[in-house]
Amino acid sequence: DAKTTQPNSMESNEEEPVHLPCNHSTISGTDYIHWYRQLPSQGPEYVIHGLTSNVNNRMASLAIAEDRKSSTLILHRATLRDAAVYYCILGLFSGYALNFGKGTSLLVTP
Amino acid sequence: DAGVIQSPRHEVTEMGQEVTLRCKPISGHDYLFWYRQTMMRGLELLIYFNNNVPIDDSGMPEDRFSAKMPNASFSTLKIQPSEPRDSAVYFCASRDRGGRQPQHFGDGTRLSIL
Repeated sequence: DAKTTQPNSMESNEEEPVHLPCNHSTISGTDYIHWYRQLPSQGPEYVIHGLTSNVNNRMASLAIAEDRKSSTLILHRATLRDAAVYYCILGLFSGYALNFGKGTSLLVTP
Repeated sequence: DAGVIQSPRHEVTEMGQEVTLRCKPISGHDYLFWYRQTMMRGLELLIYFNNNVPIDDSGMPEDRFSAKMPNASFSTLKIQPSEPRDSAVYFCASRDRGGRQPQHFGDGTRLSIL
């Protein structure tokens, strides 16, 4: 299975953009890049996914490198509610399990 | 819309007792997943179902664990007998069949085995 590498933790100020990196140098051509986050005492929550092109939704943007060996989740204006563990996960969609790693713990300070 | 519903939210029981965790997936979802989260091992998949049929149970730790999905709106994860090392947060997730659909997680059951 292709692996991902994320920083253990990051810190951001409220209302500033946050760029969460993920390295996946062994990604296969069919692997999607999924991002989930887990707020304290809650289950993981879907954030965004992409294959080759950059993606935007109401929660975040996903920037994917041209060689697909890395990606960045972008939160445009961090709020205190965005403090969570963010997981970058590779894999197919159809029914397959998500292989959560350690993720990045994001701290947002006022 | 109702999300994935898990019960109980917290369970404390003594070693050796039977424990049953319950999950109601989102209506219309075809896939159901059971995960376990601990500090040491993080989030790991235990088993998943497609159309009520178990597809992959390779993550089930041992024979003390069993999972069933008698119908599309209900699943159970049972531990018998329970041991202190089973203490963890257990999550249930479901997803729709169509296209590139994400998984939707419940809020989990925090299980403590004394």
